[in-house]
Amino acid sequence: NAGVTQTPKFRVLKTGQSMTLLCAQDMNHEYMYWYRQDPGMGLRLIHYSVGEGTTAKGEVPDGYNVSRLKKQNFLLGLESAAPSQTSVYFCASSYSEGERNGYTFGSGTRLTVV
Amino acid sequence: AQSVAQPEDQVNVAEGNPLTVKCTYSVSGNPYLFWYVQYPNRGLQFLLKYITGDNLVKGSYGFEAEFNKSQTSFHLKKPSALVSDSALYFCAVREGWSSYKLIFGSGTRLLVRP
Repeated sequence: NAGVTQTPKFRVLKTGQSMTLLCAQDMNHEYMYWYRQDPGMGLRLIHYSVGEGTTAKGEVPDGYNVSRLKKQNFLLGLESAAPSQTSVYFCASSYSEGERNGYTFGSGTRLTVV
Repeated sequence: AQSVAQPEDQVNVAEGNPLTVKCTYSVSGNPYLFWYVQYPNRGLQFLLKYITGDNLVKGSYGFEAEFNKSQTSFHLKKPSALVSDSALYFCAVREGWSSYKLIFGSGTRLLVRP
């Protein structure tokens, strides 16, 4: 089925370790987004991309980096994980900036930093 | 700045009764409003949207939402709740057609008891 696929689904990291979260979409969407979800805080935008080769900072970008080398993939990197980055991470995509049906979300990656 | 408020952390309702999940927003321009639902261990799913036109918007699974400009509200409603409606509901706002940033509320957990 078409949609947004996130890997891995779960991960436990030690403080200071690095990792990359992968998001892949097969809907030919231009726009892709990374959010984090924390209890009582809803979803907060980390970084987003408006097309292949472009990235931009969102609301909470510190401690994260992203890359969009291919249109279908959007990678989120943590260079030196901290316990404050324990969260559920969601990737989303949309066809255009005026996407009337909102975003299509992946099923999430649950990350624990110990 | 854009913001969305969901004043209730949890809403409890008996199956068969009507339900309302509240949302208020603040934007400087025309609001584009969305409701999403999240089931356990899943990503967010689009329910409905308000862009323009009729203040009563109908969406998936029998849900509807009423846009009230004077009260800056966009409450989610359903005439008869089902146990399967139990989930986490998010209201979101986008400021204007050309903005790709979607701001989410903190979420409201809906619990429908049999």
